[in-house]
Amino acid sequence: EAQVTQNPRYLITVTGKKLTVTCSQNMNHEYMSWYRQDPGLGLRQIYYSMNVEVTDKGDVPEGYKVSRKEKRNFPLILESPSPNQTSLYFCASVQGVGGFGTYEQYFGPGTRLTVT
Amino acid sequence: TQLLEQSPQFLSIQEGENLTVYCNSSSVFSSLQWYRQEPGEGPVLLVTVVTGGEVKKLKRLTFQFGDARKDSSLHITAAQPGDTGLYLCAGEFGNEKLTFGTGTRLTIIP
Repeated sequence: EAQVTQNPRYLITVTGKKLTVTCSQNMNHEYMSWYRQDPGLGLRQIYYSMNVEVTDKGDVPEGYKVSRKEKRNFPLILESPSPNQTSLYFCASVQGVGGFGTYEQYFGPGTRLTVT
Repeated sequence: TQLLEQSPQFLSIQEGENLTVYCNSSSVFSSLQWYRQEPGEGPVLLVTVVTGGEVKKLKRLTFQFGDARKDSSLHITAAQPGDTGLYLCAGEFGNEKLTFGTGTRLTIIP
């Protein structure tokens, strides 16, 4: 079954304690992406990766790091979390379709992070 | 930064009624997608439209892409409780990135 998995699903942590949210996909997609979802602000892209060892900033990259050492995994790292990073995080595996430069996103189940 | 506006923000209707939700931008989309998100889950892709004037149907859902490719609508016929969820439009503006709207939260009352 094609899927995107994220771990953990829920995390409560304290300010400054480094954490990693893992993301893995089994669809052999080259393109992966991280989003955060906040009430009233919608989904905003944090970082994306078009291929192994290639990562780029999205719209809200401050306070986050990513790495892409292999195609299937794209972890999100918060080196020193702060309360304003409390949010719902989604990883997406992305498929290019149709030769139009159109990218369809397959989302993981989400990670709800609370930073106190 | 391109902006997508979705309307209405919230919609609550009785089972069996029809409804339309909208997605608008001041910029031209290279393509547009609609997603549905249920509580506790990630968004699920419903449809992708790429051609101005395009209409796609998915059972009781009809998606339309505006002729100028700046707007889109989603029409649901005979709404059912299972249609309840957050409907998100997402537009590509030719830069390999999706910009999401803030969504329409739809509630179907049995």
